[in-house]
Amino acid sequence: KAGVTQTPRYLIKTRGQQVTLSCSPISGHRSVSWYQQTPGQGLQFLFEYFSETQRNKGNFPGRFSGRQFSNSRSEMNVSTLELGDSALYLCASSLSGGNTEAFFGQGTRLTVV
Amino acid sequence: SQQGEEDPQALSIQEGENATMNCSYKTSINNLQWYRQNSGRGLVHLILIRSNEREKHSGRLRVTLDTSKKSSSLLITASRAADTASYFCATAHNSGYSTLTFGKGTMLLVSP
Repeated sequence: KAGVTQTPRYLIKTRGQQVTLSCSPISGHRSVSWYQQTPGQGLQFLFEYFSETQRNKGNFPGRFSGRQFSNSRSEMNVSTLELGDSALYLCASSLSGGNTEAFFGQGTRLTVV
Repeated sequence: SQQGEEDPQALSIQEGENATMNCSYKTSINNLQWYRQNSGRGLVHLILIRSNEREKHSGRLRVTLDTSKKSSSLLITASRAADTASYFCATAHNSGYSTLTFGKGTMLLVSP
């Protein structure tokens, strides 16, 4: 069974630009969550989608958004990038959310210059 | 905010020794999960332990959970250099559609 796939693996963007990250969950998993990891703040929850609906949202500004498609694939978008958005963005896939095992992708390393 | 807090922040041992990491949390949980992360890469799921369980094993890993003390421990027996990584505990709360809340992690260095 294929694992969680995140694309791209690395991105370099300029301040003010926008970026879209993609996540393909494990087949059969309907919940996709996104996390931001930085050295200072650690792993922080961004949002969770289940069956195309956002169920939970973390404490991030509205510049961070996401969506989930009918095949459970998910995208997250960050608009008007700031230097502080530089981070490892991780996607987690699970059958139904926090009550089941969550499996992570390799992440997308975003650098904002 | 961080729910789980791992202790110690860093641990350095020799190959063959056991490594114990602890995790404390603040509010009631549905389950607690342990993850490993190698050098800024993705998180690898190790074990999930539910609130009604006290101990789980997986290979060289042993996880305990004490809900009365709101704490968990991860024991890696007979450590290998390949176990060098950061280890995180993540808690899933009882409230609604829970997500995972991570601690800051324990950095484990296993020297040959």
